[in-house]
Amino acid sequence: EAGVAQSPRYKIIEKRQSVAFWCNPISGHATLYWYQQILGQGPKLLIQFQNNGVVDDSQLPKDRFSAERLKGVDSTLKIQPAKLEDSAVYLCASSQSGGGSYEQYFGPGTRLTVT
Amino acid sequence: GENVEQHPSTLSVQEGDSAVIKCTYSDSASNYFPWYKQELGKGPQLIIDIRSNVGEKKDQRIAVTLNKTAKHFSLHITETQPEDSAVYFCAAHLFNDMRFGAGTRLTVKP
Repeated sequence: EAGVAQSPRYKIIEKRQSVAFWCNPISGHATLYWYQQILGQGPKLLIQFQNNGVVDDSQLPKDRFSAERLKGVDSTLKIQPAKLEDSAVYLCASSQSGGGSYEQYFGPGTRLTVT
Repeated sequence: GENVEQHPSTLSVQEGDSAVIKCTYSDSASNYFPWYKQELGKGPQLIIDIRSNVGEKKDQRIAVTLNKTAKHFSLHITETQPEDSAVYFCAAHLFNDMRFGAGTRLTVKP
């Protein structure tokens, strides 16, 4: 079974530029998550999708971050404009929904450096 | 919301020894507690999990215990090997929210 795919793996941009990350979840997983992991910390949830609807985006800085999952499969996360403090690893995870299934499976992440 | 604290932040053991990592959570309604292993340059990998209706779970050399009364849970790794060296994260699930601890960097010395 293929895992969660993410691209690009690395990205270096200057502050005030924009950047986009892509995620393809495990086949059949209805729930998709985007996390931000700052160096030395645990992942912090940015947004959660159930199919193509947003379940929780309470911790997403909506003035600069946006995310979409138009067809309920792939998802993109965008930052515009980027700030220095956005330097982090952006992790995508997916899980099955319903039946009390909580297990989340993570992709390899995209390491963003903002200079 | 849920708050998860994890200790220690770093742990160094000799190969063959046991390692224990502890986490506490704040909301008694949390119902699912996974542990993740993260190697350098990779995403977190689910290694074991436990639900609130179970007190202990074991999978080969790793085990997790849960004390709901005290609101803490622990990861136990026995017969540690150099390949166990990584950062380990605990997490607690509450409704739609998964909160992670800050991580423990485990080093197993050969």
